[in-house]
Amino acid sequence: EPEVTQTPSHQVTQMGQEVILRCVPISNHLYFYWYRQILGQKVEFLVSFYNNEISEKSEIFDDQFSVERPDGSNFTLKIRSTKLEDSAMYFCASSKDGNYGYTFGSGTRLTVV
Amino acid sequence: KNEVEQSPQNLTAQEGEFITINCSYSVGISALHWLQQHPGGGIVSLFMLSSGKKKHGRLIATINIQEKHSSLHITASHPRDSAVYICAVRISGSRLTFGEGTQLTVNP
Repeated sequence: EPEVTQTPSHQVTQMGQEVILRCVPISNHLYFYWYRQILGQKVEFLVSFYNNEISEKSEIFDDQFSVERPDGSNFTLKIRSTKLEDSAMYFCASSKDGNYGYTFGSGTRLTVV
Repeated sequence: KNEVEQSPQNLTAQEGEFITINCSYSVGISALHWLQQHPGGGIVSLFMLSSGKKKHGRLIATINIQEKHSSLHITASHPRDSAVYICAVRISGSRLTFGEGTQLTVNP
């Protein structure tokens, strides 16, 4: 069964450093998403991406965040200057179109120290 | 007020029991998803519903659009069903709004 692949599975970074979280969505999917889950809290939407541009973003997705699809397969989330409160599990997801079900990746656990 | 409310928050059952997890939402939606999150954190999509009922193995999901309510049922529960079950809705666009999740523990 096709999978969404996320790397790394764990990342520890110092406050103020830049991090890039990587995702390989399912190859024939057109919609890509990033969500995050702070420990003990519910999953929150960050951003959706379609046709090489952001289609929606939440209030969490401020200027510190950016997304990119640098080639035909990868989808990345960059956090420019990490804060302690960015510590969370970050999930990538993809969908064939916005009306179909999602496939989630297994997540990247980001710890900012 | 949360747009998506799940109940119960925690549920403990004995192996073999029939389990029901409920989800209520407060706004019009275009679809509702049931998801499973394992202790390692990974999320697996179980169902996407916009009306009626779906069944996959021992899992059944129903939705009542008029009452803004959905249920996830597990028949003949097993310890491997222990996980967090999450209801998420699509309100506008394609983004999902998540509930808090229901922690299910099935004891042997």
